This record gives sequence, structure tokens and C-alpha cells, in this order.
Amino acid sequence: KAGVTQTPRYLIKTRGQQVTLSCSPISGHRSVSWYQQTPGQGLQFLFEYFSETQRNKGNFPGRFSGRQFSNSRSEMNVSTLELGDSALYLCASSFGLANEQFFGPGTRLTVL
Amino acid sequence: GESVGLHLPTLSVQEGDNSIINCAYSNSASDYFIWYKQESGKGPQFIIDIRSNMDKRQGQRVTVLLNKTVKHLSLQIAATQPGDSAVYFCADPSTSGNTPLVFGKGTRLSVIA
Repeated sequence: KAGVTQTPRYLIKTRGQQVTLSCSPISGHRSVSWYQQTPGQGLQFLFEYFSETQRNKGNFPGRFSGRQFSNSRSEMNVSTLELGDSALYLCASSFGLANEQFFGPGTRLTVL
Repeated sequence: GESVGLHLPTLSVQEGDNSIINCAYSNSASDYFIWYKQESGKGPQFIIDIRSNMDKRQGQRVTVLLNKTVKHLSLQIAATQPGDSAVYFCADPSTSGNTPLVFGKGTRLSVIA
């Protein structure tokens, strides 16, 4: 069974631009969560989607948004990029809410 | 809010020695914990989990100990190998609050050959 895939793996943007990251969960998994990982803050929860609905949201500004499609694939969008948004963005999928999560390799975003 | 944290940010061990990575949690209602391993350039990978009705759980070369009295858990790696070099996270998949999976900041394990 294929694992969680994330595209693109690497991305370089400039301040003020926007970016869309994509995540394809493991087949059959309906929950997708997004995390931001930086050296200083560690893993921080962004949001969680289940059956196309956002179920939980972390403490991030409104510039961070996401959505989930009917096939459980998910995208997250960051608008008006700031230097501090440079991070590894991880997607994790699980069968349901509060189940074991399986992580993708992440998208490394660099904002210049 | 609730937090899960690791005691040490880095740990260096000799190849072949045993490693112990510690984690403290604050939510007394937490009943399930997961240890993840994250190698450079990869996402976290599940290692082992434990439920609160157990004090100890063993896997292949790894053991997790849970002390609910002091809200502490540890990951023990036997005969540490170079491939064990990674960042290790303890996580609490409680759905309380807004964060479904609460992570510590991680402990970086370096294995000295």
C-alpha cells in the first residue's frame, strides 16, 4: 500500500507570494492533518480534516488555510508569505480521528 | 494547554550501548502515547505505542515504559546502532483541545561509531 505522498518536495518562494501544498493520504484513510516543523518550535499542528470538513485548527494566522477533497486528498495554502513561514510542512493521514497517524516526507518551503 | 515535552534536546551514545529517551506529559487524562522517529529529510515514522493500562511494552530492540504516577514515559533502545540516529518524538493523540497529536520538541539521538 502506497504511503502518504506530498508534492512538491521542495519549494522556494519570495515574501508576499502565496503557495499551495498537496497531500495524498494512504488509500482508505479519511483524516488528514497538517503540521509545520521548524528547528525552534518543533512540530506544530496546523489543522485536521476529516470527510472534507475541518475538525481541528491550531494557533496559526488566517493566512494558513486548507481543504480536503472528496477523495481525501488535501491541500494547504499560505498567502502573503513571510520569512518566518520557511519550514518543513508535514502531512499525516489516519483512518479516522485520534488514530495512529502516518506521515509523508514533507514539503520543504523556503521563503526568501 | 496540554503539553508533552522531552527532557533533553540531544543525546549521544556509543554504538552498542543502550539509549534512554525521556518524555513528560501534563494531561493526566492521556491514555495513549506514541513514539516517533524522524530521520533527516523524512517525516516522523511510528516506532511503538503504549496505552495507559500498561506500564511497559516491548518491540524489536525498543521498550517503552510508562509511569502514570509521575506522568513520565521513556523509550529505551537496546544495542544502539548508527541507523538509530534520528530525532525522537513522544506524542499524545488525545483529541482534547484543538491539537489531535501533541508532540514534544524532540530529542536528537547521535550514535558514535
